[in-house]
Amino acid sequence: QITLKESGPTLVKPTQTLTLTCTFSGFSLSTAGVGVGWIRQPPGKALECLALIYWNDDKRYSPSLRSRLTITKDTSKNQVVLTMTNMDPLDTATYYCVHPRGVTCFDSWGQGTLVTVSS
Amino acid sequence: QSALTQPPSASGSPGQSVTISCTGTSSDVGGYDYVSWYQQHPGKAPKLMIFDVSKRPSGVPDRFSGSKSGNTASLTVSGLQAEDEADYYCSSYAGSDILFGGGTKLTVL
Repeated sequence: QITLKESGPTLVKPTQTLTLTCTFSGFSLSTAGVGVGWIRQPPGKALECLALIYWNDDKRYSPSLRSRLTITKDTSKNQVVLTMTNMDPLDTATYYCVHPRGVTCFDSWGQGTLVTVSS
Repeated sequence: QSALTQPPSASGSPGQSVTISCTGTSSDVGGYDYVSWYQQHPGKAPKLMIFDVSKRPSGVPDRFSGSKSGNTASLTVSGLQAEDEADYYCSSYAGSDILFGGGTKLTVL
């Protein structure tokens, strides 16, 4: 059974850097084909795919947010970390950690963590 | 503005069928057979309901079906039940990116 859980701050100030950690179980990021990603959802709005990282360290980023995002993995700890720089109130959203099914969809989701950007 | 276009709302009575559309371009929906649909109840994480246009993950009722024609994909929910009331999001592979629609709120009357 795959489980994913997000952790990190619930409140960040504008211009600060957000660091979120996804701790997962039920699979290994050292297995060929496996990946972990991050998706966010502003309150009452649609989903947005932010970043994906695969077993071979292949990384994919949202074209519109590429300059602000970094995704890394720690295979030994079963963790994936997402950093987003220069946070803005418009970045207020629930951030989900996800398990991709191949490269085309997401078959397992964490519970999500609400991050509010406010001074 | 989302990359894929969905109607903001849809509705149907219990037992009826309802279809939700998802329109993209030849670079996403029309270019790949990799359309997915997610169901999201209030306060919950999305759940994968359909992948690869028409395939159902284990445990998803066969009342949910997907199809595609050209640049438009569709999700049909047959035999509507009260628990089907939720937001539904389409998604499509687009080469190096995965795009989502704006979501459709399905109301069971």
